Amino acid sequence: SQQGEEDPQALSIQEGENATMNCSYKTSINNLQWYRQNSGRGLVHLILIRSNEREKHSGRLRVTLDTSKKSSSLLITASRAADTASYFCATDGGSSNTGKLIFGQGTTLQVKP
Amino acid sequence: NAGVTQTPKFQVLKTGQSMTLQCAQDMNHEYMSWYRQDPGMGLRLIHYSVGAGITDQGEVPNGYNVSRSTTEDFPLRLLSAAPSQTSVYFCASSYGRASGNIQYFGAGTRLSVL
Repeated sequence: SQQGEEDPQALSIQEGENATMNCSYKTSINNLQWYRQNSGRGLVHLILIRSNEREKHSGRLRVTLDTSKKSSSLLITASRAADTASYFCATDGGSSNTGKLIFGQGTTLQVKP
Repeated sequence: NAGVTQTPKFQVLKTGQSMTLQCAQDMNHEYMSWYRQDPGMGLRLIHYSVGAGITDQGEVPNGYNVSRSTTEDFPLRLLSAAPSQTSVYFCASSYGRASGNIQYFGAGTRLSVL
């Protein structure tokens, strides 16, 4: 079964607006990651947040982590048409030395120019 | 650096045929993984490896074999293709635990089984 579940499944916004995606997971974790996938391409790593961190920023990206609720959110500020993609969260399931990364089902974001 | 290279990009098989999906990385990564991506299902882990000579099963290993004889290569073998294996397959590699297992993905192989 999937470790992460993302909400919403699809999101459509206008350029310049903010986009927020949420991820929930089931087990303890050492870290949580977010990836982006452009249509027909492989996934690209965006940001990693460790279990002892509550918030992390990278450019227009802001990630929060609430381990008590087993949830994370990804905020993209001032969105651009180029941000149109699918976004996935991924966790290590608490075992960072096994090589396993468990992905959510993803949120498809459309940014209209 | 080429990163993670997957071949072929596209493949059509008949039910019962076997084939090998190739994956190679030139970043000297210890960890490598194979995923399949189906509509609405996200990515599901098939097999993974934490180093040459070491492999383990992921979430959906049935019908697939892997081996890791070198650090660079991690081929995925379909033993007897079935229509349920129609999917997009991604190979990924990472430095491992020290990097938090941040993964670098190949461009994918689109497989259709008729």
